[in-house]
Amino acid sequence: QVHLVESGGGVVQPGGSLRLSCAASGFTFSIYGMHWVRQAPGKGLEWVAYIKYDESIKYYGDSVKGRFTISRDNSKNTLYLQMNSLRAEDMAVYYCAKKFGNYDAFDVWGQGTMVTVFS
Amino acid sequence: EIVLTQSPGTLSLSPGERATLSCRASQSFTSDLAWYQHKPGQAPRLLIYGASSRATDIPDRFSGSGSGPDFTLTISRLEPEDFAVYYCQQYASSPYTFGQGTKLEIK
Repeated sequence: QVHLVESGGGVVQPGGSLRLSCAASGFTFSIYGMHWVRQAPGKGLEWVAYIKYDESIKYYGDSVKGRFTISRDNSKNTLYLQMNSLRAEDMAVYYCAKKFGNYDAFDVWGQGTMVTVFS
Repeated sequence: EIVLTQSPGTLSLSPGERATLSCRASQSFTSDLAWYQHKPGQAPRLLIYGASSRATDIPDRFSGSGSGPDFTLTISRLEPEDFAVYYCQQYASSPYTFGQGTKLEIK
């Protein structure tokens, strides 16, 4: 069964850092692009970042560019999101999601991990 | 950046009725559009990709249509489990943006 499990969320002060992980199972992780998507409390979905299966391409949303870094370890079937210089507006549930074949739609999602930015 | 505008913001209907949800893009593109269903406390669920193709195990009461800039998600006969928030998402170009969502609520 295809599974994505996020971890690493928590409470951090403004300006702080956090690294999220996403463990994949049930599919060949190393051949799929992966995304991070977030949802702030009471708000809609916001795409955050994308990484190609071989790390050769990375894209970021404008609101996180220069502060967040997406990476992956195909030997560990794990996706990461390093978040630096966190702001109050970064507070959200963060989901990892699998790219759907040749489409940059998201066919498998994790349950999400909550990041709280709180002073 | 392609901005997606969904309408209406909230749609109040009864089970058995037909739902029509709209998504308009600020720039035209052909069919790089997906629809998702999202319920509280759950992961979003892919319903439609390529503007009109149903994802795996999605009931045929869900259908997508249109091409840039106007897209539509239709639910032919609402079931109780269909009441949720629905998002459109474009993947024609990065950043891959979502619409603000349409809340489908029971009347």
